[in-house]
Amino acid sequence: DIVMTQSPDSLAVSLGERATINCKSSQSLSYSSNNKDCLAWYQQKPGQPPKLLLYWASTRDSGVPDRFRGSGSGTDFTLDITSLQAEDVAVYYCQQYYSVPPLTFGGGTKVEIK
Amino acid sequence: EVQLVESGGGLVRPGGSLRLSCAASGFTFNNFAMAWVRQAPGKGLEWVSAISTSGHTTYYADSVKGRFTISRDSSNNTLYLQMNSLRAEDMAVYYCAKDLTPRTTMVWVLDSWGQGTLVTVSS
Repeated sequence: DIVMTQSPDSLAVSLGERATINCKSSQSLSYSSNNKDCLAWYQQKPGQPPKLLLYWASTRDSGVPDRFRGSGSGTDFTLDITSLQAEDVAVYYCQQYYSVPPLTFGGGTKVEIK
Repeated sequence: EVQLVESGGGLVRPGGSLRLSCAASGFTFNNFAMAWVRQAPGKGLEWVSAISTSGHTTYYADSVKGRFTISRDSSNNTLYLQMNSLRAEDMAVYYCAKDLTPRTTMVWVLDSWGQGTLVTVSS
């Protein structure tokens, strides 16, 4: 199974500043058929279900603000929230879909306001 | 608008059984693979099971294999999870979720989630 490791476990960022979350996979997620990486990001606000933010490492789901940006390839990925808003307080998870089953998630990163 | 509404959670003793349901609406249910994902209290997300569009292919996490059964009923657009031999470590909120891409055999990206149903396993 592919193991997903996120860092940091939590971070506190001032409003309007950048938040950066890292995600590392135990093997490459690069899909040769379309030259994209099988990596998704989810946001989970307190008391709510997860919400899909990005897939193929950098493609935003419908309606997701462009301050959420995904990057990286192979085994190392990053989610940037370029200008943190109060409503972005949440736990963020990465998930690989290169080798399924099983789908595997990172442990989560909690983002708070400094 | 896609809606997924779970039900069937509750308190069950260790070794007991429970059946979860997920009523789907707002999309063509038959066209999408579906999954169950759980979240233990204060913990992260764990994929539990998935089912193909036809229902003929099913997948399970090792932690539930042989104890849980996923199924779907296209006549009433409902996803199910039959849970037997429940253990304390199965206690979690169980979410049903829909795949992003139509007509796949296995879920890849989960683009819609229900609100979840809580399963408590305790004597």
